[in-house]
Amino acid sequence: DAGVIQSPRHEVTEMGQEVTLRCKPISGHNSLFWYRQTMMRGLELLIYFNNNVPIDDSGMPEDRFSAKMPNASFSTLKIQPSEPRDSAVYFCASSTRGATDTQYFGPGTRLTVL
Amino acid sequence: AQSVTQLDSHVSVSEGTPVLLRCNYSSSYSPSLFWYVQHPNKGLQLLLKYTSAATLVKGINGFEAEFKKSETSFHLTKPSAHMSDAAEYFCVVSLSGYSTLTFGKGTMLLVSP
Repeated sequence: DAGVIQSPRHEVTEMGQEVTLRCKPISGHNSLFWYRQTMMRGLELLIYFNNNVPIDDSGMPEDRFSAKMPNASFSTLKIQPSEPRDSAVYFCASSTRGATDTQYFGPGTRLTVL
Repeated sequence: AQSVTQLDSHVSVSEGTPVLLRCNYSSSYSPSLFWYVQHPNKGLQLLLKYTSAATLVKGINGFEAEFKKSETSFHLTKPSAHMSDAAEYFCVVSLSGYSTLTFGKGTMLLVSP
């Protein structure tokens, strides 16, 4: 199994630009999670999908952030417009049976907004 | 609310000596508990998981953790540290009725030769 795949691995952009992060979960997993990790705030859950439907998006910082899961094998996290404070490592994770089951993490996308 | 506290932000050991990373949780119910490890510039990897079977859980790479309900603790141990164990370790709790995991703030394990 290839594990959770994220792209790009690194992204450098300028303030105000749109950023799209991509995730392919492990095949057969029904749940997908987007996390953000910073030194100051640690690991934060942004949004959680179950069977492609958003279940909990209370962690999404503001309207500049949006996430979609058009099918079971693909999800995107979009930031528009991006700001320097969005600089962080963004992780995608998936699990077979929801939020309380073992989650398998991707390698992350390191985002730098200048 | 569910919460988890990792008592040390950094732990330093010498190679070959025992490792103890401490974790306490708050819960009114029986939790599921996890330890994840994150090596530099990598994603998180599951070390071990407790789900109300045996209270002593064995994980990968020689790590184990003991669930102590009376102390609401789930400390991670390893008899002999290896240089490759240097990483950040996260204690994670999941409670019945809650839809998400709660992550501790992490403990950085430093291993010196």
